[in-house]
Amino acid sequence: DAMVIQNPRYQVTQFGKPVTLSCSQTLNHNVMYWYQQKSSQAPKLLFHYYDKDFNNEADTPDNFQSRRPNTSFCFLDIRSPGLGDAAMYLCATSRDRGGSTDTQYFGPGTRLTVL
Amino acid sequence: AQSVTQLGSHVSVSEGALVLLRCNYSSSVPPYLFWYVQYPNQGLQLLLKYTSAATLVKGINGFEAEFKKSETSFHLTKPSAHMSDAAEYFCAVTLGGYNKLIFGAGTRLAVHP
Repeated sequence: DAMVIQNPRYQVTQFGKPVTLSCSQTLNHNVMYWYQQKSSQAPKLLFHYYDKDFNNEADTPDNFQSRRPNTSFCFLDIRSPGLGDAAMYLCATSRDRGGSTDTQYFGPGTRLTVL
Repeated sequence: AQSVTQLGSHVSVSEGALVLLRCNYSSSVPPYLFWYVQYPNQGLQLLLKYTSAATLVKGINGFEAEFKKSETSFHLTKPSAHMSDAAEYFCAVTLGGYNKLIFGAGTRLAVHP
């Protein structure tokens, strides 16, 4: 089945220790998104890639970076995690970036704990 | 600017009862509207979407939603709740041409026997 995969499902890191979360997709979609969802809150878009074009949200902290080495993979790097970065991180994909066909499909998420 | 308001952060129903989750939107252009469901420690799963075709949209698991422009609403309903429907439900709107999802705050649905 075509799908969005996130690894690991649970990640524990130490305060200030860099961490990388992974997302892969078999849908061959052009767009990949990263959302942050804190406990009992709605998901909040951090950034997205449209093909190789990186699009950062204005209020995304510099501590968060992303890489997309190819169509299938996208990584979220947190350079110096703080306690406030503990959250569920959701990856999503869509075929394109506008129009009625452009539903976003979400992966299962990675829950990040910062000690 | 687009926004979404979900009325009621928690809704509790009996098994077999009607489920009604409310969503109102604000948009300066015809919106695309979505309902997603999230089970504990899972990602979001699309229930249904409105894309300016039929105003009554049928989704998965027996859910449906009706787009009412005059009321700027897109409420989610299911005639008969099942225990497995217990989850968090998010209404969302997209910025056309950008596809950025703007989510409501979510409604947690509890289903009791």
